[in-house]
Amino acid sequence: GAGVSQTPSNKVTEKGKYVELRCDPISGHTALYWYRQSLGQGPEFLIYFQGTGAADDSGLPNDRFFAVRPEGSVSTLKIQRTERGDSAVYLCASMPGPGSYNEQFFGPGTRLTVL
Amino acid sequence: KQEVTQIPAALSVPEGENLVLNCSFTDSAIYNLQWFRQDPGKGLTSLLLIQSSQREQTSGRLNASLDKSSGRSTLYIAASQPGDSATYLCAVALRRGAQKLVFGQGTRLTINP
Repeated sequence: GAGVSQTPSNKVTEKGKYVELRCDPISGHTALYWYRQSLGQGPEFLIYFQGTGAADDSGLPNDRFFAVRPEGSVSTLKIQRTERGDSAVYLCASMPGPGSYNEQFFGPGTRLTVL
Repeated sequence: KQEVTQIPAALSVPEGENLVLNCSFTDSAIYNLQWFRQDPGKGLTSLLLIQSSQREQTSGRLNASLDKSSGRSTLYIAASQPGDSATYLCAVALRRGAQKLVFGQGTRLTINP
């Protein structure tokens, strides 16, 4: 079946604007993660959903960042009042569910540029 | 706080050589460890996953080992090819529930024809 998809692939916005990034996980995967990857760095965890609920949002940098997954499938990462420091690649990953044998499958990412 | 380090940061070798990439982590209480490949401007492709109870996993020319007690993992690539050129990332999964991944900074590998 299809892998994890993310839209848009690229987003350029101006400082202070609001943006939404979308993630479509693999069908049937209950676990969904958002990560952020700055240039030359490994991805950093932002938030984890198990089903519809945000089970761990400890990686969100501040209250300008918010994510939802209302029906337990598609997730949207929302960033208010964007700042230049928010520029990065935002990666989404999904997993069948908790379990040591389960691996995370990543989407291609959304490259966000804040001018 | 779990920290993951990858050495070297970059590696360039001639085609056909066998090579080893290293990953170390500070807290041995991990759930599993994954090795990923990332091509420029692309997302992450999972290569191998090793559960905390396992010592190694193999897939084709790739072999990953895990020594949880010493906080180390290696990725061995046999008979390297130019198509293996990419950035390789290792990541450890923390506690059972969230299993969020903590990544190293990656090793940028170049295989020269």
